[in-house]
Amino acid sequence: QVQLVQSGAEVKKPGASVKVSCKASGYTFTAYFMHWLRRAPGQGLEWMGWINPNSGATKYAQKFQGRVTMTRDTSISTAYVELSSLGFDDTAVYYCARGTTISPYDAFDIWGQGTMVTVSS
Amino acid sequence: QSALTQPPSASGSPGQSVTISCTGTSRDVGGYNYVSWYQHHPGRAPKLLISEVSRRPSGVPDRFSGSKSGNTASLTVSGLQAEDEADYYCSSYAGSDRGVFGGGTKLTVL
Repeated sequence: QVQLVQSGAEVKKPGASVKVSCKASGYTFTAYFMHWLRRAPGQGLEWMGWINPNSGATKYAQKFQGRVTMTRDTSISTAYVELSSLGFDDTAVYYCARGTTISPYDAFDIWGQGTMVTVSS
Repeated sequence: QSALTQPPSASGSPGQSVTISCTGTSRDVGGYNYVSWYQHHPGRAPKLLISEVSRRPSGVPDRFSGSKSGNTASLTVSGLQAEDEADYYCSSYAGSDRGVFGGGTKLTVL
């Protein structure tokens, strides 16, 4: 079946970087945009950006511009998000979510299980 | 982009209907028909309820419906059930290949 499986929880110190992976299965990885979102404790869902797995093109939310990098490895159908210069307010559950085949930003129909990233000194 | 505006909470008794609003601007909700809605139970992955303002994916009960008027989109949950108690989020395309989410609405089934 179609699913996205994310890497495990991470604990990082302030100023460090974190890289989360998202392995896709059950569909053609390169045919759908992949998005990354997060939900911090007590906060709402926040869209971070997308990557086109076919071309590698990316678009980031302005808030994360300069601090986030989204990549992919088509040989293993896996997308990655790396966030640098972590602060305490980056503590959140990070999700990958499948977009559509045509529009860069539409609806997200398949979600990963989430990866908890904790920033702690 | 500024977050879309949702009421922080909503409630209803079993069997009743509840409508959650999502207000944006002409640069997002009002300018495009790419409004979607998600249900999020804590500890689980969010679930797509509505895409493109009013399109319901297969498997989503027809108790969930979406609409839009001007800069405000709405999600209506009819025939409330206990399992509907969750957080609900709207999202919209906001131009330049970017999007934005609402702050979320906590739905309580009384």
